[in-house]
Amino acid sequence: KAGVTQTPRYLIKTRGQQVTLSCSPISGHRSVSWYQQTPGQGLQFLFEYFSETQRNKGNFPGRFSGRQFSNSRSEMNVSTLELGDSALYLCASSSGMHTGELFFGEGSRLTVL
Amino acid sequence: GIQVEQSPPDLILQEGANSTLRCNFSDSVNNLQWFHQNPWGQLINLFYIPSGTKQNGRLSATTVATERYSLLYISSSQTTDSGVYFCAVEDAGGTSYGKLTFGQGTILTVHP
Repeated sequence: KAGVTQTPRYLIKTRGQQVTLSCSPISGHRSVSWYQQTPGQGLQFLFEYFSETQRNKGNFPGRFSGRQFSNSRSEMNVSTLELGDSALYLCASSSGMHTGELFFGEGSRLTVL
Repeated sequence: GIQVEQSPPDLILQEGANSTLRCNFSDSVNNLQWFHQNPWGQLINLFYIPSGTKQNGRLSATTVATERYSLLYISSSQTTDSGVYFCAVEDAGGTSYGKLTFGQGTILTVHP
């Protein structure tokens, strides 16, 4: 069975632009979570969606947003990009209503110039 | 929020050696996972182990939830074991849907 798929894998943007990242969870998984990984802050939780509803949100500014579609695919958007948004963005999926075991995709590496 | 501390931060081994990585957490957890991050950034699941002991080949893990720690054992290490190992937990208090709190990781280097 296919794993978690994230697109694009790499992208370069300039300050002030916006970016949209996509995540397709494992088939049958209904929960999708997003994480940001930077050398300074490590891995930090952004938000989680289940059945198209955001159930949990981390401590990030409103420039970071997301959504989930009826087929469980999720997108996250970052508006007005800043240099500090350069990071590896990881998506994870899990099967049930409760967190359970998370399975991660390969990530989208964003560079902001 | 819950705190997760991993030790040691760095570990250098010769191929064939054994090692133990430790994860301490500050509060009760519903979920504890160990991951290996590969050079391309993907987090590879090693163990889902909120309590008890599990083994998978040369790797095993033990979580003692009542004492708030978990151990990852790597036996007969190989160069392919090199990379960063993360422990991550889900806080049992409150609503933590999808939220794992990660430690800072242990960087393992195995020399041939």
